[in-house]
Amino acid sequence: DADVTQTPRNRITKTGKRIMLECSQTKGHDRMYWYRQDPGLGLRLIYYSFDVKDINKGEISDGYSVSRQAQAKFSLSLESAIPNQTALYFCATSDPGLHEQYFGPGTRLTVT
Amino acid sequence: GQSLEQPSEVTAVEGAIVQINCTYQTSGFYGLSWYQQHDGGAPTFLSYNGLDGLEETGRFSSFLSRSDSYGYLLLQELQMKDSASYFCAVFATNDYKLSFGAGTTVTVRA
Repeated sequence: DADVTQTPRNRITKTGKRIMLECSQTKGHDRMYWYRQDPGLGLRLIYYSFDVKDINKGEISDGYSVSRQAQAKFSLSLESAIPNQTALYFCATSDPGLHEQYFGPGTRLTVT
Repeated sequence: GQSLEQPSEVTAVEGAIVQINCTYQTSGFYGLSWYQQHDGGAPTFLSYNGLDGLEETGRFSSFLSRSDSYGYLLLQELQMKDSASYFCAVFATNDYKLSFGAGTTVTVRA
């Protein structure tokens, strides 16, 4: 089984709809991250959490919110989706003191 | 803020050597990482440099010069499966937040 899973893997939604992307991990890591990737751009950090009680904004948090329900679960919500939020979204985890981040398979989101 | 520059594309033949350069401008600097991403797939960690010098992992090596704000990833004995995008990423502080470059697409030809 994959260490970091994301659901759904693909989603098409309409402008104005609320949508939630979910991330679960079995690696036992405290740190979790949400990134978005657009064609020709690198990954940009949306939100990150270093433990269940810790939530921090990344460089592009406007229009997004997150919830850290447990050590293993970190959800990303788009309160009112807009077309320029069409992108590939990745969840990642890491262990304190280590430099490697482990990425989930991604969610391809299309907002029409 | 952070700014990272790397070439957008590189093409090479099987068996060749490719060097992907990365220059960065950051408000602080803690280390430089490299990630590989096959088309649409999850990025996977390749290497990390916290100190100046060369780190070697099999066919891949990574180099860092902190004084020049510069690093590179060296791919040796290229194979078709090395066709992918490669991203440099910096830790601007020691809080383990990464800032990514735009990526370099490496195409390996037979």
